[in-house]
Amino acid sequence: EAGVVQSPRYKIIEKKQPVAFWCNPISGHNTLYWYRQNLGQGPELLIRYENEEAVDDSQLPKDRFSAERLKGVDSTLKIQPAELGDSAVYLCASRGTDRAGGRVLWETQYFGPGTRLLVL
Amino acid sequence: DAKTTQPNSMESNEEEPVHLPCNHSTISGTDYIHWYRQLPSQGPEYVIHGLTSNVNNRMASLAIAEDRKSSTLILHRATLRDAAVYYCILRDWQGGSEKLVFGKGTKLTVNP
Repeated sequence: EAGVVQSPRYKIIEKKQPVAFWCNPISGHNTLYWYRQNLGQGPELLIRYENEEAVDDSQLPKDRFSAERLKGVDSTLKIQPAELGDSAVYLCASRGTDRAGGRVLWETQYFGPGTRLLVL
Repeated sequence: DAKTTQPNSMESNEEEPVHLPCNHSTISGTDYIHWYRQLPSQGPEYVIHGLTSNVNNRMASLAIAEDRKSSTLILHRATLRDAAVYYCILRDWQGGSEKLVFGKGTKLTVNP
């Protein structure tokens, strides 16, 4: 089974330029997450999608960040314009869910390798 | 979200057991204890989880204190490939929290 795919793996841009990251989740996973990981820190959630709906975007800096998940499969995270402080690893994850009678039994988040962004 | 406390770093020798501690004194009755690890230049990966009873899988064992205020991830024989940052995370299974809240984790160094 293919894992979560992200591209590009690395991106170097100058400040004020736009940048976009792409994520293809594991087939059949309805829930998709974008995290940001600063150096030496754990990942922090930016946004969560249930199918094509963003159900938790409270941590997404909406003045410059945007995300979309058309058709409830692939997702794109965009920054425009990028700032020096945006340098980080951007991780995408998708969640598999086992259910019984509508109740969630267990779920695991599967992470992609991330996109390492450097803003100069 | 309830918080966890882990040592910043630990060292182990190859083929020796490793015990990674985690304190979670404010854990609630519905919080599951999850462990993820992050290998260098990779995204985090699931290791194990538990609620009250000790758990074993092919990767590790999870020992949970009787009062659930602490837990220990046990790698029975560390290999060089186990060198990673290990995160202990609490998650409310009732769906009150749909996100994993990562701390800084414990960086494990395995010496050959």
